[in-house]
Amino acid sequence: SQTIHQWPATLVQPVGSPLSLECTVEGTSNPNLYWYRQAAGRGLQLLFYSVGIGQISSEVPQNLSASRPQDRQFILSSKKLLLSDSGFYLCAWSADLYGYTFGSGTRLTVV
Amino acid sequence: AQSVSQHNHHVILSEAASLELGCNYSYGGTVNLFWYVQYPGQHLQLLLKYFSGDPLVKGIKGFEAEFIKSKFSFNLRKPSVQWSDTAEYFCAVNAYSGGGADGLTFGKGTHLIIQP
Repeated sequence: SQTIHQWPATLVQPVGSPLSLECTVEGTSNPNLYWYRQAAGRGLQLLFYSVGIGQISSEVPQNLSASRPQDRQFILSSKKLLLSDSGFYLCAWSADLYGYTFGSGTRLTVV
Repeated sequence: AQSVSQHNHHVILSEAASLELGCNYSYGGTVNLFWYVQYPGQHLQLLLKYFSGDPLVKGIKGFEAEFIKSKFSFNLRKPSVQWSDTAEYFCAVNAYSGGGADGLTFGKGTHLIIQP
């Protein structure tokens, strides 16, 4: 069966520090991969999606970037975190338009 | 681009009350519609989804939703809520566009609190 792993679960980082969040999917090939952010009181916002290795589409201009070095690996990064980057980050995968599976999320607090 | 609007950000109900959470979307073409739930400390879980066919869809835990195309709505309902339904509820839409892998557009969520 397919599973999605996301880590770490919780992260506290100082302003200006770098960020790397990793998401991996098992049990499927060539998934569509997504990064969402849930900021307080603002719902879930799609940040990036990828339809294949090295293919990244950005939905919202921001301080973050994404990479897909392997078929089932999706990484969210920042060179210098801002306070406004705090939030709950969710990775998701989908094989088509009809079903999405979400990871357990990373709660990022920038201090 | 599509957008999703959830009418109520916070809802407080007593156990056994009936629930209806509103969701409207804006997109002129074909859409897939979803309701997700996030219980405290847990993953987002799919409650139900609509792709085509019968506009009244039934999901897990006694939830149902009705797609009304003319109103661009997909309201979530449950006839009798339980304390365990306390959670955050998200309506989401996926529009058929481009390559089709654009991801979900979510509403801002409704925080539902059920009082015993």
